[in-house]
Amino acid sequence: GQQLNQSPQSMFIQEGEDVSMNCTSSSIFNTWLWYKQEPGEGPVLLIALYKAGELTSNGRLTAQFGITRKDSFLNISASIPSDVGIYFCAGRLTGANSKLTFGKGITLSVRP
Amino acid sequence: DAGVTQSPTHLIKTRGQHVTLRCSPISGHKSVSWYQQVLGQGPQFIFQYYEKEERGRGNFPDRFSARQFPNYSSELNVNALLLGDSALYLCASSFTGGSSYEQYFGPGTRLTVT
Repeated sequence: GQQLNQSPQSMFIQEGEDVSMNCTSSSIFNTWLWYKQEPGEGPVLLIALYKAGELTSNGRLTAQFGITRKDSFLNISASIPSDVGIYFCAGRLTGANSKLTFGKGITLSVRP
Repeated sequence: DAGVTQSPTHLIKTRGQHVTLRCSPISGHKSVSWYQQVLGQGPQFIFQYYEKEERGRGNFPDRFSARQFPNYSSELNVNALLLGDSALYLCASSFTGGSSYEQYFGPGTRLTVT
């Protein structure tokens, strides 16, 4: 089946640093979404992207829909301790209705 | 505004038993999708329902079934439970199955099969 690749599995940064994550696929996706999940919770939608090349911000978060439509990037600026969590990318293929394909997630740790 | 709600929060079942999980979407949302998330993985798509009709099915056995009610709430049923069915089951709602594909997740039901 389709897979989205996220690596590394874990990232450790210092409070105040910027961090970038990317998500790649061998397939073309029409929609990219980024979610954050904390322990015991469901994923929370951070940013949705609908067009190739689109750059969208949500506070300190910025995400981009790759030009090839096979990748997406998430950047977090000036990290704070509450940014800790697992960040998932998700994509939707053409004709897939609302089915989302998720990556395995990146666990972000922020040192105070 | 209330978000997506799911019940129960936690559930422990024995192999071979049957389980029913429930989901209420965000008010005004007509589409509900179910996902299974095992530890260390991203959610895996099980079903999508829109206006009470199945619109998509993932690669899960026939032991998994679902339905959507006139008020857009939904149930996920799993028969003949296996140990491997232990997971967090997530429900997500979206406004339509059309141009807006933003899905909003509930807190999930943690199912443990012993």
